[in-house]
Amino acid sequence: DVKVTQSSRYLVKRTGEKVFLECVQDMDHENMFWYRQDPGLGLRLIYFSYDVKMKEKGDIPEGYSVSREKKERFSLILESASTNQTSMYLCASKSDRGLSNQPQHFGDGTRLSIL
Amino acid sequence: GESVGLHLPTLSVQEGDNSIINCAYSNSASDYFIWYKQESGKGPQFIIDIRSNMDKRQGQRVTVLLNKTVKHLSLQIAATQPGDSAVYFCAENMDAGGTSYGKLTFGQGTILTVHP
Repeated sequence: DVKVTQSSRYLVKRTGEKVFLECVQDMDHENMFWYRQDPGLGLRLIYFSYDVKMKEKGDIPEGYSVSREKKERFSLILESASTNQTSMYLCASKSDRGLSNQPQHFGDGTRLSIL
Repeated sequence: GESVGLHLPTLSVQEGDNSIINCAYSNSASDYFIWYKQESGKGPQFIIDIRSNMDKRQGQRVTVLLNKTVKHLSLQIAATQPGDSAVYFCAENMDAGGTSYGKLTFGQGTILTVHP
C-alpha cells in the first residue's frame, strides 16, 4: 500500500511566522501535490512537483512556496503566515510509471491554525 | 450531485441498502475519473477509478458508471454499511497529451450517512 505521511496532524502558528509543512511518500512516486481543503471550496491545488527540484504553480500559489530536494519529500512553505491560511493541508503523490492515468494517494492532512 | 456554497448534498440510507452518489463533471475533454472517500479527520482515500474508454467498472461492493454524453459519473455502493459513512467526491483529469502530470479537478462532495 502507498503510504503518504504528513509530519504534523495539528499545528498552531502565529501571524508572520515562516511555516514548514512536510510530506514524505514511500512509493518512489514521481509526482507530488499540495492542496488546501476549506468548507464550501473543496480541494484546491497550491503547488505540485513532477520531479526532484521541479515545481509548478497550482491554482492558488500566492503566499506559498515549495521545495523538493529529494524524490520522497515535498515541503510546503508559508513564507509569512496569515490568518487566511488557516486550513486543512493535504499532500498527495502519484506514480508516473505504467498506465498514463493513475490515482493520487493522500496523506491524512495537517490542520493548520494561524493566530 | 455536486453543490456550490457551504452545504454539501447529503444522502441518508439504512444499513444494507444500496447507495448511489452522483457527480456532474465539468470538462468534456476529461479522460480519467476517480472516486474518493474521506472520513472525518482523515485524508481522501482512493476507492475506484475509470477511464473514458469505459462506461462501467466494478470493484468490491462498488460500481462506477460513466455517461460521457451528459458528463455524469455515479458511484454505487452495494449493501451499505455504517463504516461507509463519509464524504464522497469525484475527481476528473484531462490528460492533455500527457502534460497534465495527473492534475485533478475535484467535486465538492456528498455526505453519506448510514443508519444501523
